Amino acid sequence: AQSVAQPEDQVNVAEGNPLTVKCTYSVSGNPYLFWYVQYPNRGLQFLLKYITGDNLVKGSYGFEAEFNKSQTSFHLKKPSALVSDSALYFCAVVFSGGYNKLIFGAGTRLAVHP
Amino acid sequence: DGGITQSPKYLFRKEGQNVTLSCEQNLNHDAMYWYRQDPGQGLRLIYYSQIVNDFQKGDIAEGYSVSREKKESFPLTVTSAQKNPTAFYLCASGAGTNYGYTFGSGTRLTVV
Repeated sequence: AQSVAQPEDQVNVAEGNPLTVKCTYSVSGNPYLFWYVQYPNRGLQFLLKYITGDNLVKGSYGFEAEFNKSQTSFHLKKPSALVSDSALYFCAVVFSGGYNKLIFGAGTRLAVHP
Repeated sequence: DGGITQSPKYLFRKEGQNVTLSCEQNLNHDAMYWYRQDPGQGLRLIYYSQIVNDFQKGDIAEGYSVSREKKESFPLTVTSAQKNPTAFYLCASGAGTNYGYTFGSGTRLTVV
């Protein structure tokens, strides 16, 4: 079965420190991977995606993610966290032939402390 | 500007009432989706539509209904059969597998 796991409900990090939000997936076929961010009472905003090519993908607001096929992971990273990065982050996957039906992880709440 | 618009932003429903949430997009996307989000939780798929005049049930379709008469519009009706409708509802549209989704800003429905 196709699935996405975000193993941490919450990640806490101090401002200025690097952050990582983890995502692993299980799909058949070639995965297309996405990260979205949600601020309170708002819709989800697209951050970045991996379709093919370079395994390191750069996205909005200084975020990046690395596709690791052998570990079936797509962790979100940022070298230096900001308090304004505090939000709910969702990883999502669709496989080629999946008719654009994204499968979302449960979400990880990122809290960046001053 | 192209985008996806949900209205109203806040909606209050009395017990036993049906209410309809609006979702309109001008992105020319074929696919549209409705999700429910409960406090502190992830997204659960209610219904989706890959093309006009066609739609499929998602994981939690009971107590909800949809229509897709126009490409631009995908309204969701929360019926009285939905026993716990208080939640945040998100609409999304998609252009194809490579592109992911564009989300609306959501409707918060509260039963009073």
